[in-house]
Amino acid sequence: GAGVSQSPRYKVAKRGQDVALRCDPISGHVSLFWYQQALGQGPEFLTYFQNEAQLDKSGLPSDRFFAERPEGSVSTLKIQRTQQEDSAVYLCASSGGGTTEAFFGQGTRLTVV
Amino acid sequence: GENVEQHPSTLSVQEGDSAVIKCTYSDSASNYFPWYKQELGKRPQLIIDIRSNVGEKKDQRIAVTLNKTAKHFSLHITETQPEDSAVYFCAASKMSGGYNKLIFGAGTRLAVHP
Repeated sequence: GAGVSQSPRYKVAKRGQDVALRCDPISGHVSLFWYQQALGQGPEFLTYFQNEAQLDKSGLPSDRFFAERPEGSVSTLKIQRTQQEDSAVYLCASSGGGTTEAFFGQGTRLTVV
Repeated sequence: GENVEQHPSTLSVQEGDSAVIKCTYSDSASNYFPWYKQELGKRPQLIIDIRSNVGEKKDQRIAVTLNKTAKHFSLHITETQPEDSAVYFCAASKMSGGYNKLIFGAGTRLAVHP
């Protein structure tokens, strides 16, 4: 595709439900990042993949958050037992590696009620 | 860890005026400083970036300056237009383990009034 694609665009979950957010990066991009953007704030780093390897998960806020990229392309961010403080926009970005430009998807807006 | 402070949080200018947004960073090892523009409900888009081996970079009406000693960098937009209205984010990163993890500022909401 032409850019980074994320689905769904919007997700409403009841507290305690599990959710899965999908990211389709730009074809051939080695690096994939997940960020969390709270309302009125800048994106905050969650985790990083280089191909299928998760090299950095230092930003994941709790063990309820889990990410995978099993074949080095599509990635899924899973949040178990969602809580209200998980409400945010979840952004995915991909790049060709190094300090090349990171291209962002449009994000998934998660609302936990 | 790295921390990025961004000021002001909101900025209102008249069309044609200049706008300046300033950021400071804490990690002296940071070497890549991109600026992103995010319109309401849309994805952040890179508008300009600068690396630590240069002090200034310009692209048409947009320029970025970097002061490594003081650990601050700024975005300058000249001849502002209503379509420049958006939230602007600065970020800092360093190459570590072969990748750059962007640390973002809190954003500046720029409003350009006709």
